[in-house]
Amino acid sequence: GDSVTQMEGPVTLSEEAFLTINCTYTATGYPSLFWYVQYPGEGLQLLLKATKADDKGSNKGFEATYRKETTSFHLEKGSVQVSDSAVYFCALNYGGSQGNLIFGKGTKLSVKP
Amino acid sequence: GAVVSQHPSRVICKSGTSVKIECRSLDFQATTMFWYRQFPKQSLMLMATSNEGSKATYEQGVEKDKFLINHASLTLSTLTVTSAHPEDSSFYICSARSRESFLNTEAFFGQGTRLTVV
Repeated sequence: GDSVTQMEGPVTLSEEAFLTINCTYTATGYPSLFWYVQYPGEGLQLLLKATKADDKGSNKGFEATYRKETTSFHLEKGSVQVSDSAVYFCALNYGGSQGNLIFGKGTKLSVKP
Repeated sequence: GAVVSQHPSRVICKSGTSVKIECRSLDFQATTMFWYRQFPKQSLMLMATSNEGSKATYEQGVEKDKFLINHASLTLSTLTVTSAHPEDSSFYICSARSRESFLNTEAFFGQGTRLTVV
């Protein structure tokens, strides 16, 4: 079945460091891909998304490109801040009326000042 | 963006008791709500999907008599963990989709409920 694999955490970085969180997927069709972020004590929030191959999602300095050839959707940010400390989830779905999300395990990011 | 409120955020209950978790869409009509469960260091796993006014559809391996889901209105769904046991201790999170988000494939999440059964 469809699945999402993302790098294990936790990831600890210093402020202004470059961030990459790897995400690869297995899918039978052509899913939409998402990154969600969960800040401490809050629900998941959509960070960015891409709906077809070669699309790039971006938001708040984060970027991810839908790579069909490598079945990847890696999350990157050039310069992280302490406020980026959170758990990041990669996910996919097919949309439609019952388009539930298939999640990766989540990667905890801690950014130190 | 749309807001989903989940309550309570934390609950501790005794083994054998039942616990109800509420999920409300505050500023939109949620035609579909999803309930997920997250074990430590594991993915969020879909438990069930509920559509307003109809019975929930449970994922394989999820006991529907144990995890009662009610989606009585377009703004409220509840998950009741009946006769809770320590192995039910987990993080439960709901998400909701509106008629509008149907086309955008986006879902909006509550903040989650940490259930501890002692």
